[in-house]
Amino acid sequence: ETGVTQTPRHLVMGMTNKKSLKCEQHLGHNAMYWYKQSAKKPLELMFVYSLEERVENNSVPSRFSPECPNSSHLFLHLHTLQPEDSALYLCASSLVKFATNEKLFFGSGTQLSVL
Amino acid sequence: DAKTTQPNSMESNEEEPVHLPCNHSTISGTDYIHWYRQLPSQGPEYVIHGLTSNVNNRMASLAIAEDRKSSTLILHRATLRDAAVYYCILWGGSQGNLIFGKGTKLSVKP
Repeated sequence: ETGVTQTPRHLVMGMTNKKSLKCEQHLGHNAMYWYKQSAKKPLELMFVYSLEERVENNSVPSRFSPECPNSSHLFLHLHTLQPEDSALYLCASSLVKFATNEKLFFGSGTQLSVL
Repeated sequence: DAKTTQPNSMESNEEEPVHLPCNHSTISGTDYIHWYRQLPSQGPEYVIHGLTSNVNNRMASLAIAEDRKSSTLILHRATLRDAAVYYCILWGGSQGNLIFGKGTKLSVKP
């Protein structure tokens, strides 16, 4: 148990659906991250939030829309996804953004399948 | 981005020590060396990190070469639960984010 909780653990959706992934941490961290892990590929950083402000968007398509209503919660809203978006989506948090002497705490991820 | 090189896979026997190597010849002076591991169906888990000196914690030890161009993660007694992909990552002045490579897949035999 890392203190970062992601729901749901598994999600199957059609290409026309709209769904949301949720991440929650009560570690007192101020930075939260979304990563994508496709089969047999390294983790890719998608978005970074610091103190509820989006500070990085790594050329992610607009069909992925993040939201950070407060420092404890992070959402990833999904709409009109493609089959190639099927992947494990991981949320992480750290005390401070980009603090190289800090640790990242990851959730267990949401395994997403787009049909 | 400063890069790391790790073997794709390694095997170990249960209850024996494991030495996981990592080369990072282009490391800069401000880069920390981080190790994470990812168990099957889980998110990555922090293992250890260091800058110049060797580091020990309850999970593992990190041995850093004097010139900092390589490091070794040491698991003192491998268990079956240590079977995972181990990532060696440089995080510091040359890049702002924790960038994962392909890692080393460790298999532990009973």
